[in-house]
Amino acid sequence: RKEVEQDPGPFNVPEGATVAFNCTYSNSASQSFFWYRQDCRKEPKLLMSVYSSGNEDGRFTAQLNRASQYISLLIRDSKLSDSATYLCVVNEPSGGSYIPTFGRGTSLIVHP
Amino acid sequence: GAVVSQHPSWVICKSGTSVKIECRSLDFQATTMFWYRQFPKQSLMLMATSNEGSKATYEQGVEKDKFLINHASLTLSTLTVTSAHPEDSSFYICSARDKGNQPQHFGDGTRLSIL
Repeated sequence: RKEVEQDPGPFNVPEGATVAFNCTYSNSASQSFFWYRQDCRKEPKLLMSVYSSGNEDGRFTAQLNRASQYISLLIRDSKLSDSATYLCVVNEPSGGSYIPTFGRGTSLIVHP
Repeated sequence: GAVVSQHPSWVICKSGTSVKIECRSLDFQATTMFWYRQFPKQSLMLMATSNEGSKATYEQGVEKDKFLINHASLTLSTLTVTSAHPEDSSFYICSARDKGNQPQHFGDGTRLSIL
């Protein structure tokens, strides 16, 4: 299986800041893309799917660049509660189905 | 929607015991379920993929006789850690997905501690 890479961070930002994470993938046949957040000692929770045209959900914006094979997540007006690890997930085709491949995650710390 | 229930949340037992973990999709049909393991401060590691009614596909290095997976229905998969030892202590998480290109949804995870 090919790789999904993320900068592990940590990204340490003040409340109200804008922060962006990138994630690169090596399998050009990858079909669908997601961002999850994982809090310490908890399971990952789906944050948002990433669509080709880009999509926004409140303070969160996700973009996909197929030509350069990366996806991004932009968080505006950071809150303390945004502190978590953000996982990039890429569905890669395999044997007629899709297998999710995770990045190692990017740690975000939002401080007062 | 898209709720996945995993049970139990915590297990503490003696070395040599077999432990069964259940993963249920409550409001959708889980065509595919995934089982992961996560050690402290490390990333999720996929152990196996199971499709309803089929044998599970295990990742390289994961012993299929050690980690028995059953996915007998569209809403339930089980992972049995057979003859567990302290090195099997970890956070085990299941996830479930309906269609192949959809996001997966995770259970709450099971913390397994083998004494």
